[in-house]
Amino acid sequence: DAKTTQPNSMESNEEEPVHLPCNHSTISGTDYIHWYRQLPSQGPEYVIHGLTSNVNNRMASLAIAEDRKSSTLILHRATLRDAAVYYCILSRSGAGSYQLTFGKGTKLSVIP
Amino acid sequence: GAVVSQHPSWVICKSGTSVKIECRSLDFQATTMFWYRQFPKQSLMLMATSNEGSKATYEQGVEKDKFLINHASLTLSTLTVTSAHPEDSSFYICSARVTSGRMQYFGPGTRLTVL
Repeated sequence: DAKTTQPNSMESNEEEPVHLPCNHSTISGTDYIHWYRQLPSQGPEYVIHGLTSNVNNRMASLAIAEDRKSSTLILHRATLRDAAVYYCILSRSGAGSYQLTFGKGTKLSVIP
Repeated sequence: GAVVSQHPSWVICKSGTSVKIECRSLDFQATTMFWYRQFPKQSLMLMATSNEGSKATYEQGVEKDKFLINHASLTLSTLTVTSAHPEDSSFYICSARVTSGRMQYFGPGTRLTVL
């Protein structure tokens, strides 16, 4: 399976933009890039996903490199509620199951 | 967004007993549901993939006779931990995939403590 590499932790000041990087150099042509986040003692929350083009939604933006070997999750204005572990995951589609394999993720701390 | 519930949110049981955890998709139909386990300070580990009306597919190293999964309807999957032991204490999380989409929606998790 294609793997992802993320920094263990990052810090951001409240109300500033945050850029969370993810490397996936062995990504295949059909792998989608997903981002989920998990607050302590909660289930993960879907953030965004994309294939080749940059994506925007109400939560964040996803910038995908032209060679697709890396991507960046952008939180435009960090709030204290955004403090969480962020997972960058490549979807594995086998028989339509779209399984997700979670790595260690990036723990984002937001400083007031 | 889509809502997935789990019940119970936490359970404490004695060693040797069985525990059933329910996972429900409340406002959508989910052909596929997934079960994960998460130990403290670790990431989620996929245990099994459950498709409605068929047998679950278990990940390598997960005992199918110990972790019984039933997915009898498009909105309900259950995980039964049989003969639970202290090493089974963990945070169990389910997710459901929208039939026509790629996103998975996760439940809030169930904290299992086996004494």
